[in-house]
Amino acid sequence: DGGITQSPKYLFRKEGQNVTLSCEQNLNHDAMYWYRQDPGQGLRLIYYSQIVNDFQKGDIAEGYSVSREKKESFPLTVTSAQKNPTAFYLCASSDRANTGELFFGEGSRLTVL
Amino acid sequence: SQELEQSPQSLIVQEGKNLTINCTSSKTLYGLYWYKQKYGEGLIFLMMLQKGGEEKSHEKITAKLDEKKQQSSLHITASQPSHAGIYLCGAGGEMDSNYQLIWGAGTKLIIKP
Repeated sequence: DGGITQSPKYLFRKEGQNVTLSCEQNLNHDAMYWYRQDPGQGLRLIYYSQIVNDFQKGDIAEGYSVSREKKESFPLTVTSAQKNPTAFYLCASSDRANTGELFFGEGSRLTVL
Repeated sequence: SQELEQSPQSLIVQEGKNLTINCTSSKTLYGLYWYKQKYGEGLIFLMMLQKGGEEKSHEKITAKLDEKKQQSSLHITASQPSHAGIYLCGAGGEMDSNYQLIWGAGTKLIIKP
């Protein structure tokens, strides 16, 4: 079945460590997104990519990095520079850039110990 | 900048009862998207509204965009346990802008048996 797969679902990290969250889609979508979700807040956009080898910063990109070397993959690295990384991270994709109809993964919950 | 406010923040409803969730924008909506999220999981697209006065239905869920395109309501008829979750609205900006969604904080719906 087509969809988006995020891994791992749960991740624990010590302060000062970088961690990479995986996002893979087999929907043949051009656009991919990373959101952060905190309790009581709406989704906040971290990074997005409209095409392979290109990506743009969202509203809260500081302390995060991404790559888009393949159409299917859009990994997110949470670096030690991110001051408050404990959150629920959601990856999404869409078949074109100018649409709000997104397909989401199941999410990855990162906890910094 | 555009903001989306959802009300209520949470809602407890007896099974079988009707309910309404609202999403109000500080600016004109050019596209309004409703999503549902089960706790700790990804979001599932429900409906998109673009035209003032537009109304769409999916099973027992109906969403409407008001004529002025600044408020949308989501109505559930004869609620069931499967309706429980978090409902989020997302809004697109002006058509010629970089089309990234702005999100409401979500409405948590609990269905009492």
